[in-house]
Amino acid sequence: GIQVEQSPPDLILQEGANSTLRCNFSDSVNNLQWFHQNPWGQLINLFYIPSGTKQNGRLSATTVATERYSLLYISSSQTTDSGVYFCAVVVPYDYKLSFGAGTTVTVRA
Amino acid sequence: KAGVTQTPRYLIKTRGQQVTLSCSPISGHRSVSWYQQTPGQGLQFLFEYFSETQRNKGNFPGRFSGRQFSNSRSEMNVSTLELGDSALYLCASSYTGTDLGKEAFFGQGTRLTVV
Repeated sequence: GIQVEQSPPDLILQEGANSTLRCNFSDSVNNLQWFHQNPWGQLINLFYIPSGTKQNGRLSATTVATERYSLLYISSSQTTDSGVYFCAVVVPYDYKLSFGAGTTVTVRA
Repeated sequence: KAGVTQTPRYLIKTRGQQVTLSCSPISGHRSVSWYQQTPGQGLQFLFEYFSETQRNKGNFPGRFSGRQFSNSRSEMNVSTLELGDSALYLCASSYTGTDLGKEAFFGQGTRLTVV
């Protein structure tokens, strides 16, 4: 099956810092999503981004499908950005999301 | 528009019992998929249903089963519970009429503890 690798596994930031999370995948995909898992376990949708670039407030994401990677940018980080960020992809005709292991972000005041 | 609703939110069961979890997708969404999250194994796919048909199944023992009803609501059942089944179970829904991947939305999850 497809391999989804996220880096770094852990990230500690000072409030106000910028950061980049990376997601590499080993096969062609027709869906890529970024999620933030809240402390209660729910996966919150950040971006649906099979290709191209999107921005939503302080967050932005870029997917280069031909090179099989996606980047999530967090600018001016806040303590509320803390949590685990997951990248997930869908391989054509697979009907499932394959998740990376996640990046745990800790933002310190 | 209401989101994905999972019930119950929390469950405590004894080894050997069985459990049924429920998931109501977003109105209009016909695909429902289930995932198990544990600290050691991360997020693992259980199964996916579309129009009452299972289209894909993950690598889990036969004790794990599911179904989807005509209104797209889905249930998953775990029989003969083991301690290792303790996990957060997440359900996702999407409007997937063809193979084209569409954005998936998750419910709040059911946290199952087996004692």
